[in-house]
Amino acid sequence: GESVGLHLPTLSVQEGDNSIINCAYSNSASDYFIWYKQESGKGPQFIIDIRSNMDKRQGQRVTVLLNKTVKHLSLQIAATQPGDSAVYFCAEPVGYSTLTFGKGTMLLVSP
Amino acid sequence: DSGVTQTPKHLITATGQRVTLRCSPRSGDLSVYWYQQSLDQGLQFLIQYYNGEERAKGNILERFSAQQFPDLHSELNLSSLELGDSALYFCASSVGDSNEKLFFGSGTQLSVL
Repeated sequence: GESVGLHLPTLSVQEGDNSIINCAYSNSASDYFIWYKQESGKGPQFIIDIRSNMDKRQGQRVTVLLNKTVKHLSLQIAATQPGDSAVYFCAEPVGYSTLTFGKGTMLLVSP
Repeated sequence: DSGVTQTPKHLITATGQRVTLRCSPRSGDLSVYWYQQSLDQGLQFLIQYYNGEERAKGNILERFSAQQFPDLHSELNLSSLELGDSALYFCASSVGDSNEKLFFGSGTQLSVL
């Protein structure tokens, strides 16, 4: 079936580095994608979203890139901070009401 | 703080028992979603209610049921509990009935012993 998956389960970076978290999707008809951040002991928190008519969207220190040709999106975090340590999920709507989440990538930021 | 409140935070019970998880959505949100998060399955959509009515169903077991009350809070009932039901259960809410920009609560950690 259709699925959203992640390439790397764990990403370790130094504070101040830029981080890139990748996500592959399989449904070429998908037109909307969302990134969530989940800190330990908390629920997923919305970070940024992008629609398929865009290639790039920027937020505060975060940028999402969408490559529809290869069905790939990435989340870039600039100047990564220890507070960015969390699990990051990409999510894709399935139907009108359901969100399918990828398995997640753990980002570990060392001071 | 997302504005979504879930109680209790932790729940420990035995196999065969029944528990109720409670969720209060953000003020103004009409949709409530329930998700289950486990190490092997990740985040799995269970069910959605919109303004009191069931709107979508995911991988929810027949032993599980939910409802949304007139004041828009929701309860997830889990019965005949099994060891494999141990997981984090999240409630999320959104303004409308689509699946964009969900706001998640902090979850209820259920441990079935």
